[in-house]
Amino acid sequence: AQSVTQLDSQVPVFEEAPVELRCNYSSSVSVYLFWYVQYPNQGLQLLLKYLSGSTLVKGINGFEAEFNKSQTSFHLRKPSVHISDTAEYFCAVSGSHLYNQGGKLIFGQGTELSVKP
Amino acid sequence: EPEVTQTPSHQVTQMGQEVILRCVPISNHLYFYWYRQILGQKVEFLVSFYNNEISEKSEIFDDQFSVERPDGSNFTLKIRSTKLEDSAMYFCASSRVNTEAFFGQGTRLTVV
Repeated sequence: AQSVTQLDSQVPVFEEAPVELRCNYSSSVSVYLFWYVQYPNQGLQLLLKYLSGSTLVKGINGFEAEFNKSQTSFHLRKPSVHISDTAEYFCAVSGSHLYNQGGKLIFGQGTELSVKP
Repeated sequence: EPEVTQTPSHQVTQMGQEVILRCVPISNHLYFYWYRQILGQKVEFLVSFYNNEISEKSEIFDDQFSVERPDGSNFTLKIRSTKLEDSAMYFCASSRVNTEAFFGQGTRLTVV
């Protein structure tokens, strides 16, 4: 079984400041990791994913995340945020052995990023 | 770009009534899912569907829930007798082999 913890429910930040949204996971099997973003009144959109290879993955809109197996973390970062980044961000995991077979996603509780001018 | 579409965007129903939430997955996708998000809580997996049958379901997906792919393009979630606690945003998603899940915009279900 897997679980995901997003340590911060809300992160307020000023425009052009850097931001890090934290995600830790627990799993007895190897996992694939995802970050989804939900803009107000919209669905979930994939921001980036880690399947294998380089532990630093780059996604859309200038976001990146680093997979740290020893710390079981997959923190999301952006060096300079914009007002338009205001949204809810969800970290999710899937058992890697299930990914080819339509495996479910286990989500964290979400982090609300609020970018202020 | 292909997308998952869900209808309606908002549904209000009376407690005890049956409700059907509809989804049109991306056309060449093989796996279909329903998730829900109760206000202020995390997104939770309900059920996955492959090859015309349920492949996995969560504890939440009890006998009052059912899914169907009636015509090869739609994917529906039926709640037989709605309860107040069924009020949530319901997301449909689909995927192919070796791809991430693509989500629809959700249906907000309000049970009154």
